[in-house]
This record gives sequence, C-alpha cells and structure tokens, in this order.
Amino acid sequence: GDSVTQMEGPVTLSEEAFLTINCTYTATGYPSLFWYVQYPGEGLQLLLKATKADDKGSNKGFEATYRKETTSFHLEKGSVQVSDSAVYFCALSSTGGFKTIFGAGTRLFVKA
Amino acid sequence: DTAVSQTPKYLVTQMGNDKSIKCEQNLGHDTMYWYKQDSKKFLKIMFSYNNKELIINETVPNRFSPKSPDKAHLNLHINSLELGDSAVYFCASSQVAGGPSGDTQYFGPGTRLTVL
Repeated sequence: GDSVTQMEGPVTLSEEAFLTINCTYTATGYPSLFWYVQYPGEGLQLLLKATKADDKGSNKGFEATYRKETTSFHLEKGSVQVSDSAVYFCALSSTGGFKTIFGAGTRLFVKA
Repeated sequence: DTAVSQTPKYLVTQMGNDKSIKCEQNLGHDTMYWYKQDSKKFLKIMFSYNNKELIINETVPNRFSPKSPDKAHLNLHINSLELGDSAVYFCASSQVAGGPSGDTQYFGPGTRLTVL
C-alpha cells in the first residue's frame, strides 16, 4: 500500500540555519504530495503542495520539489526562524482515493 | 470565521463513560474525516465521510461511532471509554477527496481527550 517515510526528529537548529527534512514515498499511480505544519496546540495546516512530477511547492520561504525518479519530496528552507518551531508532516494523496497518508512527523526546534 | 470547528477543546472523563465530540465545517466541502493523534504526534485516520456516506473505516473499535447528519457536520461518539483512548482527535475536511489536484485537508483545532 501507499506509504510515507520522513526523517525522525527532533531536529534542533540555530536561527538562520539551513533546514532540510527528508521525505520519501511509495505509491501506485501519480499521487499529490503535501507538507503540513502543526504549531503547538493547533491543528495541522497546509504548508505547501505539488501535484505532479517536477512541480515545486513553496510558501513562507519553504520549498519542496516533487521528484518522481527518487520518489522524494524533501522540505527545505534557507534560513529558519524561532517561529518555525513546529511539527512537520509529509503526506500523499492518490487520485481516486479518499484518504491522505501522513508520515510520522518531524519535530523542529529553532533556538535563538 | 472558523473554517473547521470542534467542540469541546478539552474533555476529561472517567473510564467506562460515553462521550461525544462535535465537528462542523463552513467551507462547503464534500468530505470529512476523523483522525487520532497519539502522544508521539503520530496521526492515524479513523473515518472518512463523503456526502454523509461512510467511505473509510480504518480498523477502529466498534466503540467509536461517527455520525454525519449533513455534509457540514461529522460527530464522533465513543462508548465505554478506555485509558488507551486518551489522545488528541482532529476533524478535517476536503473539497474533492482524491481529486486530480489532490485533496488539501483543512483541520480543526483538535479535542484533547483524557481518560482517567
């Protein structure tokens, strides 16, 4: 079945450091890929998404590129801020399905 | 306006009790979901409803029963609560589940259930 694997956390960075959170997936067909972010005490919210191979999703300085050849959708940000501290979830949704598969989440701590 | 709302936000109860969590979305979406998030932040889908019809029921004990009175509401009733039911429960909705552009999900703020 479809699955998503993302790097285990927590990830601890200093402010202005470069961030990468790895995500790989297994799916039949051509899924859409997502990154969701969960701030403390809140629900998940969409950070960015890509719906086909080679698409790049971007938002708030975060980017991820849909790589079909490596089945990956790694999240990157050039310079993190303390306010980026949250849990990040990689996810996929397959056409024709009625559910989204979420990764286990990666907690990010950014120190001032 | 809150897009997806849940009540209550916190629920503390004794083992064996029955409780309900309510969810409403004002986005006009067709599909609604219930997720359970454990203490390690792992998110597991429980149910999915499309136009008031149950689409997904992911090996959830019979003690959990979802009810969708209309497209905008999906409630979760839990009978005979157990210690292992303690978690954060999230409601979510999406416009076109599995559609060609992918179904972005909109989450509620969560209900933290503690069973003593």
